[in-house]
Amino acid sequence: DTAVSQTPKYLVTQMGNDKSIKCEQNLGHDTMYWYKQDSKKFLKIMFSYNNKELIINETVPNRFSPKSPDKAHLNLHINSLELGDSAVYFCASSQGVSGLYEQYFGPGTRLTVL
Amino acid sequence: GENVEQHPSTLSVQEGDSAVIKCTYSDSASNYFPWYKQELGKGPQLIIDIRSNVGEKKDQRIAVTLNKTAKHFSLHITETQPEDSAVYFCAASKGYGGSQGNLIFGKGTKLSVKP
Repeated sequence: DTAVSQTPKYLVTQMGNDKSIKCEQNLGHDTMYWYKQDSKKFLKIMFSYNNKELIINETVPNRFSPKSPDKAHLNLHINSLELGDSAVYFCASSQGVSGLYEQYFGPGTRLTVL
Repeated sequence: GENVEQHPSTLSVQEGDSAVIKCTYSDSASNYFPWYKQELGKGPQLIIDIRSNVGEKKDQRIAVTLNKTAKHFSLHITETQPEDSAVYFCAASKGYGGSQGNLIFGKGTKLSVKP
């Protein structure tokens, strides 16, 4: 069983479109994250949610809106896609909000904006 | 805020040799330092971590050392094998509450182990 799963794995779309990426974890964790990895492999946190509540919202355009319907799911919706949004997006989860425990990453979603 | 510098950006070793990757951090309040391995096409995976009350930790061929005074920590891989080839990331966190719990990642080291 996959611990953290994301769909889709690849997403190719035109500028200006709206798209969503889904994430689910079956580890029973109460904290979930979205990270962006750019073409140079730099990993940067975008959001973190604990028990469905937003904890961290780094400097991310408000075109990005995370939604957590329950503890096991954290979806990422992106409006009005831009070329610079092309990247690999990783979902992750961990136990607790302290940032002091292992984060389990999903396999990533490669988003290409044309 | 915290800044984590990692070097080298690329490292090539012969199978069986040792590999060392070094990181420095800027915020003396950071107290948790994990290392993640990212294989091609996959998400990062924790391989070892160290907390600020410990100077060294080992797990089979992998070890991490922490020098709090100098604010640097290192990953040591001994007897490297081709399957160790991957991108390795160091990270630092202050822990607890809001963005304090953020993991700040280094820019990664691409390790290639030649058979």
